[in-house]
Parts: sequence; structure tokens; C-alpha cells
Amino acid sequence: EAGVAQSPRYKIIEKRQSVAFWCNPISGHATLYWYQQILGQGPKLLIQFQNNGVVDDSQLPKDRFSAERLKGVDSTLKIQPAKLEDSAVYLCASSLGLGITGEEQYFGPGTRLTVT
Amino acid sequence: LAKTTQPISMDSYEGQEVNITCSHNNIATNDYITWYQQFPSQGPRFIIQGYKTKVTNEVASLFIPADRKSSTLSLPRVSLSDTAVYYCLLGAGSYQLTFGKGTKLSVIP
Repeated sequence: EAGVAQSPRYKIIEKRQSVAFWCNPISGHATLYWYQQILGQGPKLLIQFQNNGVVDDSQLPKDRFSAERLKGVDSTLKIQPAKLEDSAVYLCASSLGLGITGEEQYFGPGTRLTVT
Repeated sequence: LAKTTQPISMDSYEGQEVNITCSHNNIATNDYITWYQQFPSQGPRFIIQGYKTKVTNEVASLFIPADRKSSTLSLPRVSLSDTAVYYCLLGAGSYQLTFGKGTKLSVIP
């Protein structure tokens, strides 16, 4: 079974530029998550989708971050404009069900973003 | 949101059993306890999940006392490849899953 795919793997941009990350979850998985992981810290949930609807985006900085999940499959996370503190690894994960009972999440390899 | 507390780091020799304890005094009734493992430059990987008592799978055991205010991940006979960061998470009725800083396990030859 193919895992969660993410692209690009690495991205370097200057502050105030925009950037987009793409995620393709495991086929058939209803729930998709985006996490931000700053060096030395655990992942922080940014947004959670159930199919194509947003379940939780309470920690998403909505003034600069946006995300969508087209047709309940692929997802894109965008940052516009980027700040230095956005330098982190952005992880995408998916789970089979509705994510209610803390079910197993399958993570992609992540996108390492460096903002200079 | 219920918080978890884990040791920042642990060292162990190869072949030993390692126990990592997670404290979660304010665990909610419907919270499950889940452990993930993360290697450098990779996303976290699910290890084990439980609600109460003991759960065992092919890689680890999870011990949860009756009051559920803590849990212990047990890794039998660790090898160098078990060197990683281990996270304890709570999640259920609230959708939000919170990763703490995790425990960095270093296995020494």
C-alpha cells in the first residue's frame, strides 16, 4: 500500500514570499491532518479535515496560512506571506476513519521549509 | 486539553528493556493513550495504543494503571535502531491531538 506522499521535500524561500505544500493521503482515508514541527519540538496540529470539511483549525494562523482539501482527497497548505518563524517541517498525515478515537495516523516524510 | 509529561531523554544499552513513563493527570474519560516513534527526517510512526490495563503488540507493550493518570511504554531488548524520539499522546472525544516534546531515547552499543 502506498504511503502518504508529500512534495516538495525541501523548500527555501525569502520572508514575505509565498509557498505551497501538497499532500496525497493514503487512498480511502477519510481524515487528513497538517502538522508543523519546529526543530526540537513535537508536531503541532494546524488543521484537520474529514473528507473535504474542516474539523479543527484552531491552531492555524489564518492571517497567513490557508489549506484546502479538494474533493476529499489531495490537500494543499499555503503560507502567504512567510515569516522567519515559519521555518519548520510540515507534516501531512491521514487516518482511515473519522479520527475520533485517536486512531492511528500515517505520516508522510514532511516538507522542510527554510525561510531566510 | 489534557497535557502529558515525559522525560526529555533516556539512555539504554543494547539488549536491555526500556520503560518510558508518561504522566497525564487530567486524562479525560474517553481519551485513548497512543505512542508514536519518530526517527530523524521522518514523520512519526504509530507504535501502540490503549485505553486501560495492558496492551501488547509485536514491537512494544503499554501498561496503564487503573487510575489512568500515567502510562508506560515498554520496549523489550532494544537495539541501535530503536534510537528515536518517542511521543505519548492523548486523544478521543476532542479532535485535537497534542504531541509533547517527546522522549529522546539513545541506545548505546
